[in-house]
Amino acid sequence: SQQGEEDPQALSIQEGENATMNCSYKTSINNLQWYRQNSGRGLVHLILIRSNEREKHSGRLRVTLDTSKKSSSLLITASRAADTASYFCATDKAGYSSASKIIFGSGTRLSIRP
Amino acid sequence: EPEVTQTPSHQVTQMGQEVILRCVPISNHLYFYWYRQILGQKVEFLVSFYNNEISEKSEIFDDQFSVERPDGSNFTLKIRSTKLEDSAMYFCASGRAISGNTIYFGEGSWLTVV
Repeated sequence: SQQGEEDPQALSIQEGENATMNCSYKTSINNLQWYRQNSGRGLVHLILIRSNEREKHSGRLRVTLDTSKKSSSLLITASRAADTASYFCATDKAGYSSASKIIFGSGTRLSIRP
Repeated sequence: EPEVTQTPSHQVTQMGQEVILRCVPISNHLYFYWYRQILGQKVEFLVSFYNNEISEKSEIFDDQFSVERPDGSNFTLKIRSTKLEDSAMYFCASGRAISGNTIYFGEGSWLTVV
């Protein structure tokens, strides 16, 4: 299976602290993406990192990718209550040239305590 | 900002009935997808669609499912004879390109089969 698996499954931190979520996957990938999902809502794209990139930043988000370990991490700095959500990594398979699917991991539920 | 729109947001249907879920992808996107998420579970790939044909489908996407792009803007998912286990949130998504394929999701259609 290509699926990413997030770790931890659930994370609760104090507002203002940093949150780190990890993702591991099994097959070679083209890209890895992180999405956020608020309860009962759609999936919001956060950031995409290509297989030849090692680190990427977007605002308070920092994503790293280690293709040798088949893992990625998402760091949210200075967390806010509004960051409370589930976070998913999603990977697409290397070598596909048509409308390749992206496969989601099981997600990390992040709760920010005020 | 362009977005993927889905209708209906919520539908309740009797077991055995046919359901059509509708999606309007982002206008310059060429790749279309359906995913589903059973309550509390991970986001599962159903089907991808490009150039007016199915690119890939999962084992979930059996003969009771079909997709169609009836005109230049809509992308539909039909479930022919619904079962209780089809109750889930169904997400439509679209993407512009293969390389660096960021996929943008709609808010979902919540299907309840009774």
